[in-house]
Amino acid sequence: QSALTQPASVSGSPGQSITISCTGTSSDVGGYNYVSWYQQHPGKAPKLLIYDVSKRPSGVANRFSGSKSGNTASLTISGLQAEDEADYYCSSFTSSSTVYVFGTGTEVTVL
Amino acid sequence: EVQLVESGGGLVQPGGSLRLSCAASGFTFSTYSMNWVRQAPGKGLEWVSYISSSSSTIYYADSVKGRFTIFRDNVKNSLYLQMNSLRDEDTAVYYCARDKGYYDSNGYYYYYGIDVWGQGTTVTVSS
Repeated sequence: QSALTQPASVSGSPGQSITISCTGTSSDVGGYNYVSWYQQHPGKAPKLLIYDVSKRPSGVANRFSGSKSGNTASLTISGLQAEDEADYYCSSFTSSSTVYVFGTGTEVTVL
Repeated sequence: EVQLVESGGGLVQPGGSLRLSCAASGFTFSTYSMNWVRQAPGKGLEWVSYISSSSSTIYYADSVKGRFTIFRDNVKNSLYLQMNSLRDEDTAVYYCARDKGYYDSNGYYYYYGIDVWGQGTTVTVSS
């Protein structure tokens, strides 16, 4: 099972919006609405930001939003803040014999 | 407070074995599926294994299949990962992680991902 493809890095200025893509196949991202997104600060455990493609758990800021089109899912961060500087990972259920596959990860830098 | 606390990590030689434990608290452990996820130094997240609430359904990543065994004790509110025939490439921080999914009335499971993570335990495989 190959990892989902994400850009290695994305940057933006405070207040701007950025979008991180996550590309898979019809066996994972394209075949199911089971895409989730995680934020990970250095030395910390990941935190769930988005599940079921676009749903936010309670406590997650509405600046974070998710969407999907075909085999590609996207995470948009609106009104970028300094605290958003972190690594971001997408994940999807996969129909292979495994359950979840993660993306390659994207480092977000706030300029 | 919902909490997952891993233990059992350490330094082990290639070919050796190690058992990781995860103590759960603050939620009804027996009703949740659980996962192990690992992260090699400077690398991304890699899903390792999944176990359903009753232990009836178990999955492994191809990279650990046949070497790792996931199991749980719902009386002790604990999750485990028995790791055998360890290799250099198994070196990573291992996270215990609660699955956000659930079964509907028809027995269909919704794989919503992972909503609670432990702080991780470090496994180093080296001679």
